[in-house]
Amino acid sequence: DAKTTQPPSMDCAEGRAANLPCNHSTISGNEYVYWYRQIHSQGPQYIIHGLKNNETNEMASLIITEDRKSSTLILPHATLRDTAVYYCIAPSWGNTDKLIFGTGTRLQVFP
Amino acid sequence: EAGVTQFPSHSVIEKGQTVTLRCDPISGHDNLYWYRRVMGKEIKFLLHFVKESKQDESGMPNNRFLAERTGGTYSTLKVQPAELEDSGVYFCASSLTGSGEKLFFGSGTQLSVL
Repeated sequence: DAKTTQPPSMDCAEGRAANLPCNHSTISGNEYVYWYRQIHSQGPQYIIHGLKNNETNEMASLIITEDRKSSTLILPHATLRDTAVYYCIAPSWGNTDKLIFGTGTRLQVFP
Repeated sequence: EAGVTQFPSHSVIEKGQTVTLRCDPISGHDNLYWYRRVMGKEIKFLLHFVKESKQDESGMPNNRFLAERTGGTYSTLKVQPAELEDSGVYFCASSLTGSGEKLFFGSGTQLSVL
C-alpha cells in the first residue's frame, strides 16, 4: 500500500467548493486512490475511487495528477452535513478491502 | 435496501466478562469485514470473511477474539475475556465481490470495558 499524506484539518464555507488534497508520491501502477469519510458517530462511508483518470459521481469529483503522485477530492457545494474526517487511501490491488485509514483530514464546514 | 446492521449499538461490560457483537451485512454480500478503532487511534482492519470462510484474519489482536459467520450470513465477534484495552468502536462492513469493490460500513458498536 502506498503511504498517503493529508493535511490534518481544513475549513470550508457552506456552499463553496471543498478541495481536499492528498499526497501519494510512492504510489505504484496498480494502486488505486480511494476516498472514504467518517461523519461523527457513524461508520466510514465510501465516496469515490480512481486509478489515473479523473472521476465524478453524485457525491464528489476526484482529480488525479498525471504523474499520479497526488490527488484532490472536490465537494462542489459543501454543506454542513459534509463536516467529517476524510480519508485518502491507496491500497495495493488485492488489498482494496483491507483498508489502512490513517489520520485523515478533518473538514469543518461553517455557515 | 437495508444497510449493514450492527447490534448492540453500545455495550458496557466489566473487565473479564464476555461480549458478543453481531453484524448483519447487506443481503447478497458474500464479503464481510470487521474493523475497529480503539482509544482514539486509527481505524484498523481485523478480519475478512468470504461467505462462511475466513479469508484474512491477520488483524485479529489475540486469541481472546473469536469471529464466526455460520451459514455465510450474519457474523458475530466475541471477546472473551474482555480487557480494558478492548474498549473502542467495532465496525462491520460488507461488499459484493471483494477486492476492488467499495465497502459499506455499519454504524458500529461502542464497547466500553470498565
